[in-house]
Amino acid sequence: GQQLNQSPQSMFIQEGEDVSMNCTSSSIFNTWLWYKQDPGEGPVLLIALYKAGELTSNGRLTAQFGITRKDSFLNISASIPSDVGIYFCAGQSLNNNDMRFGAGTRLTVKP
Amino acid sequence: SQTIHQWPATLVQPVGSPLSLECTVEGTSNPNLYWYRQAAGRGLQLLFYSVGIGQISSEVPQNLSASRPQDRQFILSSKKLLLSDSGFYLCAWSVEHRAGYGYTFGSGTRLTVV
Repeated sequence: GQQLNQSPQSMFIQEGEDVSMNCTSSSIFNTWLWYKQDPGEGPVLLIALYKAGELTSNGRLTAQFGITRKDSFLNISASIPSDVGIYFCAGQSLNNNDMRFGAGTRLTVKP
Repeated sequence: SQTIHQWPATLVQPVGSPLSLECTVEGTSNPNLYWYRQAAGRGLQLLFYSVGIGQISSEVPQNLSASRPQDRQFILSSKKLLLSDSGFYLCAWSVEHRAGYGYTFGSGTRLTVV
């Protein structure tokens, strides 16, 4: 099946720094999504991208759907302590039951 | 609005005991339903999904089974738990036939098998 490679695996940053993480696939997707999981909770959808080249922002978060449809990145600007958590990318094909997740990026923000 | 409920939140069970985790969705009909497992610090592994009552697809062979007795109810079960069944179990739902909207997750059940 389609595999998503998400990097980095973990990040330790100072409060106020910008963060960038990305996801690549060997196959194309029709939708790219980014989720955040707080400790002990289920993942929550942050941003969904539907068109190749699309750049979407949600507050301090910005994500892009790669032109080749095989990659996506998520940027977080001016990080704050509540940004701590695991960020997952996900790619979805036209089949609603086929959504693949990356392994996650664990973000730690030091005050 | 749609909501998803998952319980219990935490569970400690001895090896060899049975398991039943329940997930219900409100505010929608005929959702697609999913069970995921997350090992400590790891990614999400799809275990089962269901597109309708009584329709279960299994992604990986394992010690677990799933059932969907009602439209908005999804149950994860085991007859005899193994130590390797420990993990964080997440239920999720999505809108039928509407790809591109992602899944909405429940708050999870942390299962520890001792």
